[in-house]
Amino acid sequence: QLVLTQLPSASASLGASVTLTCTLSTGHSSYAIAWHQQQPEKGPRYLMKVNSDGSHNKGDGIPDRFSGSSSGAERYLTISSLQSEDEADYYCQTWGTGNRVFGGGTKLTVL
Amino acid sequence: EVQLVESGGGLVKPGGSLRLSCAASGFAFSSYNMNWVRQAPGKGLEWVSSISSSGTFIDYADSLRGRFTISRDNTKKLLYLQMNSLRAEDSAVYYCARDEEMATYGSSFDYWGQGTLVTVSS
Repeated sequence: QLVLTQLPSASASLGASVTLTCTLSTGHSSYAIAWHQQQPEKGPRYLMKVNSDGSHNKGDGIPDRFSGSSSGAERYLTISSLQSEDEADYYCQTWGTGNRVFGGGTKLTVL
Repeated sequence: EVQLVESGGGLVKPGGSLRLSCAASGFAFSSYNMNWVRQAPGKGLEWVSSISSSGTFIDYADSLRGRFTISRDNTKKLLYLQMNSLRAEDSAVYYCARDEEMATYGSSFDYWGQGTLVTVSS
């Protein structure tokens, strides 16, 4: 079964960097995923697609502070030079035959 | 500029029906697969349904199959979600989202609407 696992929360200081992790279920380590940001009281916003080889394609207008990478079944979103507006929920998303899957989301707090 | 604008949400009694619409602009709607995603209050994102560009292929979340129907009108650039036999647990903000890839059915979602709120309550 295709499942994405995310830690429920993360925190980092203003100006620092943080890496969020999304883990694919066993047998699905070759899958690409997408990262989406949801700021408080707003709709989701596409950040990027991260492939199994670590290459990533960012959405329109996404700052260079956001980057993606991969290792095995894990997909990462790294945000550098954290700003207050980065405080948001971050969801990973993938797709398989007949379904689309979201991770449970990580709530990022900027201290 | 790509825009997706949902409408049709509102308050409905349990057992009732509602049809949501998503108006697309700024891109070749008929070339893209489209999706519905929902978010219950205080909860995460939940995929609802997907439809291919021509409407040939359709998928539903297992828990919703039989009650919800996705469709599209490419001439009007509209995506629909017909929701029947609504339950309290269907209360959520419903978003439409576009597939990033045109060449394959199933990909990342690269554009989202602002959502429409559905409340199921007596």
